[in-house]
Amino acid sequence: AQKVTQAQTEISVVEKEDVTLDCVYETRDTTYYLFWYKQPPSGELVFLIRRNSFDEQNEISGRYSWNFQKSTSSFNFTITASQVVDSAVYFCALIKAGGGTSYGKLTFGQGTILTVHP
Amino acid sequence: NAGVMQNPRHLVRRRGQEARLRCSPMKGHSHVYWYRQLPEEGLKFMVYLQKENIIDESGMPKERFSAEFPKEGPSILRIQQVVRGDSAAYFCATTPPAGYNEQFFGPGTRLTVL
Repeated sequence: AQKVTQAQTEISVVEKEDVTLDCVYETRDTTYYLFWYKQPPSGELVFLIRRNSFDEQNEISGRYSWNFQKSTSSFNFTITASQVVDSAVYFCALIKAGGGTSYGKLTFGQGTILTVHP
Repeated sequence: NAGVMQNPRHLVRRRGQEARLRCSPMKGHSHVYWYRQLPEEGLKFMVYLQKENIIDESGMPKERFSAEFPKEGPSILRIQQVVRGDSAAYFCATTPPAGYNEQFFGPGTRLTVL
């Protein structure tokens, strides 16, 4: 069975601080994808990143960066110089990689509530 | 290029009534996944459908819940005789027919049972 754990329930920072959201996963699959989604107060889910299990390169996109370490089954997300607009719930998710017809259900973590104060 | 659409966005029902939630996939997408987000929890998989077929309903409650994805029209998640515990946000996600694992999410339907 797959499992995603986001141990940090809530994080509170002051604007311009850096913040790291932790994600640890469990899976028996050899190939899989990892995701991060953002859920702002308006409630929709915003896709942030997808990472293939074969690709352990870290990725940076503006103020966002992701650290994937297969050896520790972690896929952590860092926001540099946080802003008030970053306040949201952030979800880490895992899916078994499929071939041919796409199949798979996303397994989500419980989410981390990030509050950035001005 | 319209994204995944869900309607209604908000739905209020009294206990015992029926709730019908609709999901219209993105153009070219023929796979639909439904997820439920209970208050202050993460999303939980409910059911996976392709056109006219239920592929995996392992996350669906055994009673009162059903889903369909007809040949024409949107996918429907139906909840009969709703109870207060059904109050949640229901999201659908869709994917193209083959080779993709990124699911595109709709805006969700927030169901409130009074």
